[in-house]
This record gives sequence, C-alpha cells and structure tokens, in this order.
Amino acid sequence: EVQVVESGGGLVQPGGSLRLSCAASGITFSSYWMNWVRQAPGKGLEWVANIKKDGSEKNYVDSVKGRFTISRDNARNSLYLQMNSLRAEDAAVYYCMIGHYAGNWGWGQGTLVTVSS
Amino acid sequence: DIQMTQSPSSLSASVGDRVTITCQASQDIRNYLSWYQQKPGKAPNLLIYDASNLETGVPPRFSGSGSGTHFSLTISSLQPEDIATYYCQQYSNLPPWAFGQGTKVEIQ
Repeated sequence: EVQVVESGGGLVQPGGSLRLSCAASGITFSSYWMNWVRQAPGKGLEWVANIKKDGSEKNYVDSVKGRFTISRDNARNSLYLQMNSLRAEDAAVYYCMIGHYAGNWGWGQGTLVTVSS
Repeated sequence: DIQMTQSPSSLSASVGDRVTITCQASQDIRNYLSWYQQKPGKAPNLLIYDASNLETGVPPRFSGSGSGTHFSLTISSLQPEDIATYYCQQYSNLPPWAFGQGTKVEIQ
C-alpha cells in the first residue's frame, strides 16, 4: 500500500523559515519526479516546485524562486521543501505529489502553513 | 514560462447535461496534460492523463481531448456527485507544471 505523509507545517512569522517533509512508502521512490503543490484557503491549486528522480534538476514557480529549495533523499524515500523569507501569501496547505500526474495514491493529506505575526 | 488558461471559471448546469471545460496552454505541450477533480477539504482526484486517457476507476462519462495548446474535459451527463472544482495541469518538459485556474461546477 502506498502512503504519502507530509509534515513540518505550522505557524511562522513573516520572514521566518519552515522545512516541510514528505515521506513516501510502498513505491520505488527514486523512479518518480516529485512535486510540491499548494492551495491557499479558498483558492486554486498552485504548483510550487519539482525535482527530477535523481535530484539533478529542480524547477520552481517564479513567486518562490530564491526563497524555497526543494530536495530529496532517495535512501530515505523522502522529499523536502525548505521555505525561507516566508510571506503572508505563502500561507496554504502544501501537498506532496508523486510523478508527472498523480492518482489517488500519489497525494498526501497536506500540511498547513500559516504565516502571521 | 508556460501559462494555462482554463475556462469558464464557473458553470451551472442541470443533471444530465453535457458539460465542457477548456484549457489552453501558452506553448505547445503535446499531450502532456492531466485533469483533476477536487472536492472541498480533499486532495485532487485524477480523472484524465496524457490529455485523453481515463484513469482507472473514473466513470466513463468523463473524457478528455486535445493536443498542442487546446484541450477540453467533457462530462457527458452531469451527475450530482460531479459537483466539484476541476483543474487542468501541464507536465511537459517546459516548466512550470502549472495548473489552470480551476472551474467550479454547480448544479442548477
């Protein structure tokens, strides 16, 4: 059974940092591109970043470039998102998404990031 | 960067109606497009991948078409359980793997 579990969300002040983690099991983790997708309250889905199977390529949405860093540890079947210089507009539920397109097993439950003073 | 333009932003239709949602890419993405359904408080549910392939377990009233820059999702006979927001997403070799803005589907 595939399990995808995000963690690391919470309340942070503007300008602060958080590190999100995503642990995946039941899949050959190193076979998949991995993504972070976010959804602000009442808003649509926004793709944030992705990373190639071996970590050699990373892409970001313009609004997070220079502030967020995606990484992975294939030995630990884990994906990470280091978020620095957080802004109010970064507040959202952050989802880990497996692959180029993700069926039911390819999403976690999400972790909530709140940015507020 | 590739941009995905989805329309309409919302629609209201009757049970049994045929409903079509469109998605336009700003550059050629071949057939690297998926469609998701999302209900409140839930993760997205994959309906269509590679523009026209129906995900296992998805009812056949859902279908996708298109290639290049123009795509569509059709619900052949709208059902009450189809009330949701629908998103397209591109996943070509041209980042970002952007989502469309979403289409909220309601029952009249």
